[in-house]
Amino acid sequence: GAVVSQHPSRVICKSGTSVKIECRSLDFQATTMFWYRQFPKQSLMLMATSNEGSKATYEQGVEKDKFLINHASLTLSTLTVTSAHPEDSSFYICSTQTGSNQPQHFGDGTRLSIL
Amino acid sequence: GQQLNQSPQSMFIQEGEDVSMNCTSSSIFNTWLWYKQDPGEGPVLLIALYKAGELTSNGRLTAQFGITRKDSFLNISASIPSDVGIYFCAGPPNAGGTSYGKLTFGQGTILTVHP
Repeated sequence: GAVVSQHPSRVICKSGTSVKIECRSLDFQATTMFWYRQFPKQSLMLMATSNEGSKATYEQGVEKDKFLINHASLTLSTLTVTSAHPEDSSFYICSTQTGSNQPQHFGDGTRLSIL
Repeated sequence: GQQLNQSPQSMFIQEGEDVSMNCTSSSIFNTWLWYKQDPGEGPVLLIALYKAGELTSNGRLTAQFGITRKDSFLNISASIPSDVGIYFCAGPPNAGGTSYGKLTFGQGTILTVHP
C-alpha cells in the first residue's frame, strides 16, 4: 500500500500566487522528509531535506525564502512556493523512509503550473 | 558532487523482448536503487541492492550491484506494454555513506514497448 500521500496532485494558478503542497507519511512517523523537483524530461533533483521540529536543509542553489518548508509534525511536511512565477512550474515530489536503513518511498507528485 | 550516468537514454522495443539498462558512477556507492516512474506519478521502488555483487530479482526484473561498487544494471525479461515508463537508478550521494535518505538520480531511461 501507499507509504506517502501528497496533495494536491495538480495546481494551476496565476503568477504571484503562493502555493502550498502537503506531504504526509501514512501509518508511521517520519522525522525526515525530502522534497524533489523534476522538470519535463529530466531527472529528479533534490531541493531540500525537511526535518521535524527544526529548520530544513536546502541544497545548493535552492532559495530557502522562495521555497518555504515546514515540518511541524511527525507525519506532515509542507512546501510553500512563495510568489510563484512561470519558471517555478514543475513537478514537485516528496519522499520519506519508513526506517533509517530503508529506501525512500515517493509521493505521487504535484504538477504546478504557473500562468 | 557525485553523478550517476545512466544508459541508454531511451529504448524502443517489441513486446516480448528483453531489456537491459545500466548506471555507472565515478565514485563508490554502498546502495543502488532502481525506480520506475509512470507519467504524472512519483517513482516507485523496484529493486534495492545493498552489497557488492548482489543479484536480486523481482518478478521479470533482475538487478545487480557491480563488484567495483561503481555500477549497476537492471534487466527486464519478456517485456509487456505496461513496462512502459521511465526507469531511474539512484543512490546515496556521499561516497561510502550509509544514509539512504538523500538520493542522487541517474538521468533516466525512457522505455517504449510496442505491442
